[in-house]
Formats: sequence, C-alpha cells, structure tokens
Amino acid sequence: DTGVSQDPRHKITKRGQNVTFRCDPISEHNRLYWYRQTLGQGPEFLTYFQNEAQLEKSRLLSDRFSAERPKGSFSTLEIQRTEQGDSAMYLCASSNDRGQVQYFGPGTRLTVT
Amino acid sequence: QKEVEQNSGPLSVPEGAIASLNCTYSDRGSQSFFWYRQYSGKSPELIMFIYSNGDKEDGRFTAQLNKASQYVSLLIRDSQPSDSATYLCAARSNDYKLSFGAGTTVTVRA
Repeated sequence: DTGVSQDPRHKITKRGQNVTFRCDPISEHNRLYWYRQTLGQGPEFLTYFQNEAQLEKSRLLSDRFSAERPKGSFSTLEIQRTEQGDSAMYLCASSNDRGQVQYFGPGTRLTVT
Repeated sequence: QKEVEQNSGPLSVPEGAIASLNCTYSDRGSQSFFWYRQYSGKSPELIMFIYSNGDKEDGRFTAQLNKASQYVSLLIRDSQPSDSATYLCAARSNDYKLSFGAGTTVTVRA
C-alpha cells in the first residue's frame, strides 16, 4: 500500500491553456474523490467516483472541468481554457467501499499566469 | 452560512499545554466527523474521526462530539512544536463527500 499518488505535483500554465492531472488511489479503494483548496480555505468537494461511475459533481465544477475514471482505477481531472481563478491545490482522495475514511494524496498545485 | 465553521485562530499555546479546537456544523444529517492536520504546503492527513456522541481518545488527541449542539472539538494534550499546523474539521453526510471548515492554525511555542 503506497498511498494515494498524484501527478504532476506542480503545474504552471498560461491562461487559456488546458491542463490534465492524474490521481492513482490506494489499491483496492473503489471510491475516489477530487477536492480543490485555495489559500486559507479548507478543501472544497468537486466530484467523486465509485468504481468508474461518476456519482456526484459539485456546482463548482463548471463545464470547463471534466473528470474521468475509465477503468475504475486511476482518475484524470482536466481543466480546459484555464483562468487565473483556477489557481489552487487540487487534491485527490480515496476510500474503501464503506467510505468512512478518505486518505488524501500529496496534491497538484496549479498556478495559472 | 458555511456548513462547517471553525474558530479562525491563530491559536498559540506553550509547549506541554493543552490546545483546544472547536468546530460547529449546520447539517443535522451529518453522520461522521473528521479531524485532519495539514502542514504548510502539504495535503491533509487524518488524525481521527468520531461518529458517536461523547469522547474518543487516541494518544494525545481527544475528539468530542455533541450532536444535539452540533459541536465537535479536538483537544491536543502535551502540545509539541511538531503539532504546529492547520487543523481541519470535516463533516460527512450520507453522500460520502466531506465538507471542511476553513481550518484553525495552531502554533506551539517552545
């Protein structure tokens, strides 16, 4: 069990570019969550998957954001036409089927210039 | 009103003292409550969780839950400099997502 991993750890991009982040959950965790955290705030829920099914999406997830988990293992979060307001830490977490405890990955820090 | 509110801090305590952190939540449907610790620039790491009224102890940490008052707290006994961090309170409802407070920053003075 190597924990939740995320890639890249840091991403600097110019406004208007597309970016994609990857999350690998703890093996055999079938629930996967994405959160966004800005400075001085707690993480805010974006979306979650049970296996490959995306079960809930926050209204924070505009149509520029899309997330996938095609084989029920790793997940990707894509942001199209990035804006400066997208600058944040993007956190992935996973849990087992009971979902009681969510374990977080190291996060991907996005800076949009 | 945010779903989870925490006292904003910062909270400064001397080494060896007790740090007391408070959290209130608005959704009565919340079933479980979590305390995460977050060091600057790092991701949240779980300290403990609680889902029954009363106290739950784990080493130097004690979580307290009062569902009638919609109140959760965390006590850190014998505070150490390594406890200096931001502490996040989170509530989980039936749909499994966590709602976080903004966090309380704790500084332990040596």
